[in-house]
Amino acid sequence: EVQLLESGGGLVQPGGSLRLSCTASGFTFSTSAMSWVRQAPGGGLEWVSGGPTSYSDSVKGRFTFSRDNSRSTLYLQMDSLRAEDSALYYCVKEAYTGGSFYFDSWGQGILVTVSS
Amino acid sequence: DIQLTQSPSSLSASVGDRVTITCRASQIINVFLNWYRQKPGKAPELLIYAAINLQSGVPSRFSGSRSVTEFTLTISSLQPEDFATYYCQQSFISPRTFGQGTKVEIK
Repeated sequence: EVQLLESGGGLVQPGGSLRLSCTASGFTFSTSAMSWVRQAPGGGLEWVSGGPTSYSDSVKGRFTFSRDNSRSTLYLQMDSLRAEDSALYYCVKEAYTGGSFYFDSWGQGILVTVSS
Repeated sequence: DIQLTQSPSSLSASVGDRVTITCRASQIINVFLNWYRQKPGKAPELLIYAAINLQSGVPSRFSGSRSVTEFTLTISSLQPEDFATYYCQQSFISPRTFGQGTKVEIK
């Protein structure tokens, strides 16, 4: 069974930093594409990052995606945080079939709140 | 970026009803469109991938179709667990964008 467990969220002041972690199990992490997706309170889904060179415009230059395949762990370093970054952050496994990518497994999410 | 526009934004329906949700893409994305259901307080779950393919374990009352840039999710007979918010998402090109969501409520 695929399991994705996020950690590292919490309350941070504007301009501050947080590092999210996602520990994966139940699949071959090293060969799997992964992404971060977020959801603001009461809002819709927003893709954040899917690799070290792939970011949404809203976080580009402030967030850094990385992974440690030896630990089956995904990271999201978030710097220069803004109030609009407040959201539930999901770690997501991406599957690939016949040329098509899709998010087939999701963590339960970790809450990030940016506020003074 | 590719824009996905879902309609309606919300709807009210009864158990047993047939429900259709549409997602229109701002440009050609071939079949690279996926559908997710998000129950209240839960993470999203994959229903349909590549426009028409039912994810393993998903009930057969869910189906997807495509006509050029218009995609449709159909629930043939709405069940209590289907009262939720539904999202489409494109994987044709980065950034992987989502539609704004369609909330299905109990009538």
